[in-house]
Amino acid sequence: AAGVIQSPRHLIKEKRETATLKCYPIPRHDTVYWYQQGPGQDPQFLISFYEKMQSDKGSIPDRFSAQQFSDYHSELNMSSLELGDSALYFCASSLVRGKEFFGPGTRLTVL
Amino acid sequence: DAKTTQPTSMDCAEGRAANLPCNHSTISGNEYVYWYRQIHSQGPQYIIHGLKNNETNEMASLIITEDRKSSTLILPHATLRDTAVYYCIVEETSGSRLTFGEGTQLTVNP
Repeated sequence: AAGVIQSPRHLIKEKRETATLKCYPIPRHDTVYWYQQGPGQDPQFLISFYEKMQSDKGSIPDRFSAQQFSDYHSELNMSSLELGDSALYFCASSLVRGKEFFGPGTRLTVL
Repeated sequence: DAKTTQPTSMDCAEGRAANLPCNHSTISGNEYVYWYRQIHSQGPQYIIHGLKNNETNEMASLIITEDRKSSTLILPHATLRDTAVYYCIVEETSGSRLTFGEGTQLTVNP
């Protein structure tokens, strides 16, 4: 069965650089979510999109933005990267609320 | 304030049932109980959810008390691959997010 695809899987950036993470949801899923998981931390919700419109916003820094495109893939754009942005970034998709399917994550390292 | 309380860690022998408790004494009538797990550095994985009736699927069983203030996730025959952090999450189905608490680190021992 098709799963959520995230790219890249690993990303290394310098401070103050920008990064773009991509997420391809499971086909026919109408909602995409982004979560951030710092070292030793639990996943924290960032933002979600339902049918290409932002549906909820969590603790997402102003330096980050996200959107969902007409083909339902989503991108998380991160600017002015800081050391503290180093984390695993998970994308999830769902068709049924609460039943989310997570991708393998993108490990971002900021040096 | 956290909506759920779970033990920090639990151990279980391989092949035995693992019973993971969760307290959610402030749960409201329209909130469901969801269970997810996260194997080290992998994406969280949905296990099961329920409102007030007990539920069972191919992965686990969920037992919710009659007053809905607590629940237990049961893995009937734990294997080494079930070693993970298990999260009990209380959310409305109309919500757009999952709020992960601290979870229970389950270690299945040979």
